[in-house]
Amino acid sequence: DAGITQSPRYKITETGRQVTLMCHQTWSHSYMFWYRQDLGHGLRLIYYSAAADITDKGEVPDGYVVSRSKTENFPLTLESATRSQTSVYFCASSEHSGRGGIQYFGAGTRLSVL
Amino acid sequence: AQKVTQAQTEISVVEKEDVTLDCVYETRDTTYYLFWYKQPPSGELVFLIRRNSFDEQNEISGRYSWNFQKSTSSFNFTITASQVVDSAVYFCALRGNSGNTPLVFGKGTRLSVIA
Repeated sequence: DAGITQSPRYKITETGRQVTLMCHQTWSHSYMFWYRQDLGHGLRLIYYSAAADITDKGEVPDGYVVSRSKTENFPLTLESATRSQTSVYFCASSEHSGRGGIQYFGAGTRLSVL
Repeated sequence: AQKVTQAQTEISVVEKEDVTLDCVYETRDTTYYLFWYKQPPSGELVFLIRRNSFDEQNEISGRYSWNFQKSTSSFNFTITASQVVDSAVYFCALRGNSGNTPLVFGKGTRLSVIA
């Protein structure tokens, strides 16, 4: 039971480069989410997806792009990385409609933008 | 707007002590869901409990217990006889039932249990 996996676990990149963080879940959950975790801010929602080809912005979407061509994958792309995007990124998935659905999280990706 | 406040930034206790982590929430929704997650030093986020707004019964799971009080908008978490393995950051979260409200997290409480 693989659950939800994120790759890479650690990434160092330079300002201006494009970076893609991968998220894969094996539960066939409809909903998937991307959060970033920063000291003093807790977890903040970047984007979420209710199903394949349906995505919507969260609290902090600027500078990020997502896609969901397949139910099991939800990649997050930083088109031109900035230092302020240095953070720990968590992907999550939820079993059903989402309101009371439990979100299960991946192990996180620690991204450093130099 | 939804808001979760975890006023305790850091707590340190000696092993076997009981400890309560506070969570106060704000929402205008009559139906909502509350969650607790644990983030151990390894970094992953582990789901602990979900409670809906219509169920005010307290819950106990082993050494963990949760006290939900709508009158004070609180959903506190108590660890009885704490152990070193309980050392982690604990997050309280809230999701309303209107529109597309997201899951809103508190800023977390870092618990250190000292042997």
